[in-house]
Amino acid sequence: EAGVTQFPSHSVIEKGQTVTLRCDPISGHDNLYWYRRVMGKEIKFLLHFVKESKQDESGMPNNRFLAERTGGTYSTLKVQPAELEDSGVYFCASSRERLAGHTEAFFGQGTRLTVV
Amino acid sequence: AQKITQTQPGMFVQEKEAVTLDCTYDTSDQSYGLFWYKQPSSGEMIFLIYQGSYDEQNATEGRYSLNFQKARKSANLVISASQLGDSAMYFCAMREGSGGYQKVTFGTGTKLQVIP
Repeated sequence: EAGVTQFPSHSVIEKGQTVTLRCDPISGHDNLYWYRRVMGKEIKFLLHFVKESKQDESGMPNNRFLAERTGGTYSTLKVQPAELEDSGVYFCASSRERLAGHTEAFFGQGTRLTVV
Repeated sequence: AQKITQTQPGMFVQEKEAVTLDCTYDTSDQSYGLFWYKQPSSGEMIFLIYQGSYDEQNATEGRYSLNFQKARKSANLVISASQLGDSAMYFCAMREGSGGYQKVTFGTGTKLQVIP
């Protein structure tokens, strides 16, 4: 079974440019999460999809961030225009709820975004 | 109030010794899950162990065990027989909610250094 994959693994862009991060969750996982870790700080929740619907986007920092999950499969996170403080590692995770309520969240390897 | 508190920003342990990484949590949900993840210097998030709030026994996975004390709201990770490869950041996390809504919150992490 393939794990959660994220693309690209690294991205260096100039301030003001646009970047799109992609996440392919594990097949069959309805829940997809985006997280971000700014250097030296905790991992912060950005948003949560259930299938194609945004269940919770309370962690999105501002309207420069746009997340989509077309068809309930892969998800994209677009930053437009990027600012210096957007630099960090963006993690995607997916999970499938089981009847017992035990749910593991499987993480991708992250996309390291550097805005210069 | 912090949902997940990891009070140890850094820990040292001698190789082959056991180490306990502390984690306390705060939730009003009756059903929740607690996780530990390892993040080596390469950056990926590796799932280690899971404890459900209704699980009566402490979770164990190889050298990892979770010391779950529900009344105290603590979920400490115990690593037995530490190895050099255990040097990494360790994050405690909690999943709350049920049904279609779930949210996973992370602590700030503990950096573990295993000394030869």
